[in-house]
Amino acid sequence: AQKVTQAQTEISVVEKEDVTLDCVYETRDTTYYLFWYKQPPSGELVFLIRRNSFDEQNEISGRYSWNFQKSTSSFNFTITASQVVDSAVYFCALSEASYGGATNKLIFGTGTLLAVQP
Amino acid sequence: GAVVSQHPSWVICKSGTSVKIECRSLDFQATTMFWYRQFPKQSLMLMATSNEGSKATYEQGVEKDKFLINHASLTLSTLTVTSAHPEDSSFYICSASLFRRALTDTQYFGPGTRLTVL
Repeated sequence: AQKVTQAQTEISVVEKEDVTLDCVYETRDTTYYLFWYKQPPSGELVFLIRRNSFDEQNEISGRYSWNFQKSTSSFNFTITASQVVDSAVYFCALSEASYGGATNKLIFGTGTLLAVQP
Repeated sequence: GAVVSQHPSWVICKSGTSVKIECRSLDFQATTMFWYRQFPKQSLMLMATSNEGSKATYEQGVEKDKFLINHASLTLSTLTVTSAHPEDSSFYICSASLFRRALTDTQYFGPGTRLTVL
């Protein structure tokens, strides 16, 4: 069965510190996608990144970077030089292949609350 | 692009009444829409998946007669909570994706609707 684990429930850092949010997943599928979403206090989930299972290249987007390692089933997210505006709940998610139907369900982790203090 | 709206953003109703929540994809056609609920400080729980023009697929444990979903067009899905009770109070979030039967599509989320049942 698919599962996403975000072991860090809450992280607090001071502005300008680097922070890494961990994500470990379980799946029997060979083809799958991994996602990160940000949920600020307003509640809306903001899409950050999608990564397919065949692409293990790390990705960098501004202060954000992602490290995908199939060997350890991890898809970690690092924020460099954190800012107060980064304060939010961050969810890691795995897309589940549903071969018998027409869905692409997302399996969410429990989320990590990041608090960036000024 | 890929903007999803929800209306209303919040609603307060009396126990026993029905509440309708709308989810619209504003700049793309959504073949599939998803409905989630989220309790405070918890992850998103998928309630159902709706494909345009067909019946919704409900997750195990979700009462289909209580949570009526209609996906009549490629840009609109509605969730009606019938005979709402205080335990139905929650944050309801919809998402929309473009492709069907594909792992490549990304779910874009609406801003959510906070339902409070008195």
